[in-house]
Formats: sequence, structure tokens, C-alpha cells
Amino acid sequence: GESVGLHLPTLSVQEGDNSIINCAYSNSASDYFIWYKQESGKGPQFIIDIRSNMDKRQGQRVTVLLNKTVKHLSLQIAATQPGDSAVYFCAEKGGGSNYKLTFGKGTLLTVNP
Amino acid sequence: NAGVTQTPKFQVLKTGQSMTLQCAQDMNHEYMSWYRQDPGMGLRLIHYSVGAGITDQGEVPNGYNVSRSTTEDFPLRLLSAAPSQTSVYFCASSSARADRTDTQYFGPGTRLTVL
Repeated sequence: GESVGLHLPTLSVQEGDNSIINCAYSNSASDYFIWYKQESGKGPQFIIDIRSNMDKRQGQRVTVLLNKTVKHLSLQIAATQPGDSAVYFCAEKGGGSNYKLTFGKGTLLTVNP
Repeated sequence: NAGVTQTPKFQVLKTGQSMTLQCAQDMNHEYMSWYRQDPGMGLRLIHYSVGAGITDQGEVPNGYNVSRSTTEDFPLRLLSAAPSQTSVYFCASSSARADRTDTQYFGPGTRLTVL
């Protein structure tokens, strides 16, 4: 989920388990959503995206679910691996020609071997 | 194809000094942006540009200037550095074509410390 204060929410899972990371977005007019992965010392890396006219999209080991009614986005990672350990950010893009992204505060995923 | 590059990777400044953070992309992307990342704050948009000669302010523009003289380059200038500008700075780019919704690609970041 989203962070409160200065501390990132954390999720700790065992290797091989499925992970679900949640995000609440703010703008009901947002038409595009992205999940990014950020490893320590690196820039955010694109994982998967979804447009507002969809409610589910699948990639390799990852699935994004979009619930526009409650403005909620989730990232599911199947068979989580130690290399999945990172901070995960959701981002939303305002509708129309607005190209700006608004980022959530991130969730720290730790995968225990 | 190098993607988005940023220089320097690390920089230490004294209060009041000025400097320019460089950002370049070789993907012919129209849209470029600068973010700062602070602990617990996520990424916050400083300035952005939708094409050469066009720039606009983001969420936290004070103390920073930008220019976009070419499609490839989008430098960020700190006019008079302050300790509050200690942060990690990321540049990003994406295609701004109306018929595409492209993700933003990020550079590796510049870690700036202002003493």
C-alpha cells in the first residue's frame, strides 16, 4: 500500500510465494498507469502498464489489476524470486494530453530465500 | 542506443554554489522530465518539456531552471544550491505522440549533496 509518513510500507515474502503490492491513486481522470521497480542505487525500471479502459493485464510473472471504482491498482508477482527484491512504485498519468506522471511513495518488497 | 544518460553520478556542492545536471536521450523522445527522490517521498516532478523550446514547471520547481534547445538534451540548473536540494535526481523521457501512450524511461540518477 501507500506510505504513511517517512517510512515505506514493506512486504516480506518467501521465495516462490506470490506477492501482491497495492496502490491507491488519486485522480479519477487518470487514463494510464505504470508499475516501476527500483533497485538500490538505480533508476526506476518499467515493469508493466495498463490503460484505464482495461481492468487486467498480464506480463511475464506479473499481473496488474485496475479497479477504477475505488481507484485502486495492484501488482501481482508470481513465484517471487530474490531478484524481485526492490522498491515498487505505481504511477498515474492524467487524462488527455497531460504527459505528467504522479508517483506513489513506493513499497519495499523483500524476498527471503 | 544508450537510452537516458545522466552526468555526473555523484556531486557534492557547498551552499550557494551553482551547477548543471546533464541529461541526454537518444530515442528521439519529445517528452523529458526531471524528478527528485527523497526518502519516503517517492518521485516528485521538478520541470518537464514536451519538445524543444518548450518547458514547464512541475510540482517542486523552486530553485531550479531548465532549458530545451535540442530534442536530445534537457539540463537542470541549480542556481544557488541549498541543503534542502540534497537528493537523488532522475531524468526521464518518453514519446509524447498523441497516438501513443509510452512509458517514461529513467536515467541512472545523480546523487547530489549540498553542504
